[in-house]
Amino acid sequence: ILNVEQSPQSLHVQEGDSTNFTCSFPSSNFYALHWYRWETAKSPEALFVMTLNGDEKKKGRISATLNTKEGYSYLYIKGSQPEDSATYLCAFLFNDMRFGAGTRLTVKP
Amino acid sequence: EAGVAQSPRYKIIEKRQSVAFWCNPISGHATLYWYQQILGQGPKLLIQFQNNGVVDDSQLPKDRFSAERLKGVDSTLKIQPAKLEDSAVYLCASSFPGTSPLHFGNGTRLTVT
Repeated sequence: ILNVEQSPQSLHVQEGDSTNFTCSFPSSNFYALHWYRWETAKSPEALFVMTLNGDEKKKGRISATLNTKEGYSYLYIKGSQPEDSATYLCAFLFNDMRFGAGTRLTVKP
Repeated sequence: EAGVAQSPRYKIIEKRQSVAFWCNPISGHATLYWYQQILGQGPKLLIQFQNNGVVDDSQLPKDRFSAERLKGVDSTLKIQPAKLEDSAVYLCASSFPGTSPLHFGNGTRLTVT
């Protein structure tokens, strides 16, 4: 079984703080690593699709890096805002798409 | 573009009853997924279709769960009979083949009492 691990499980930060989460995955037979944001009462929304070792992606204040050799990806949020509050899921594509349990972020005003 | 449509949004049933969920993917998306998300856990893949063929159903409890995607477009997931531990959010997603991102529906929240 190919497990995807995310840490921390939950995170509470103040508005304006920068934060980061970790996703670790089996480093062999890598196809792609996805990050999704899942806000309460909405559907998960894709943030990034990463396929190459050393990939760095950025969307506004959110960025992600990928290390396929050691099997991890970091998601960074710079200057967190209350609207960033959500569960952040990573998913590892091998034969199918396997999700981690997510990091639940709460940003306090 | 229209998103992934799922229905119903909520369902409450008693154990041993049956239930069915429906999903209409984004037009042109050949790949369709059903995920089960239990509170506190990540989404667990139940079944993946490529057009109307099954790619992976290794984690589908086949004694009680069934899914079909006739004509390679919309799909139904059925549970018969339901157990208490089936209480979860059932997410449908679709994508183009390969590494393309998944597009999710709003999910069906199932409560089995």
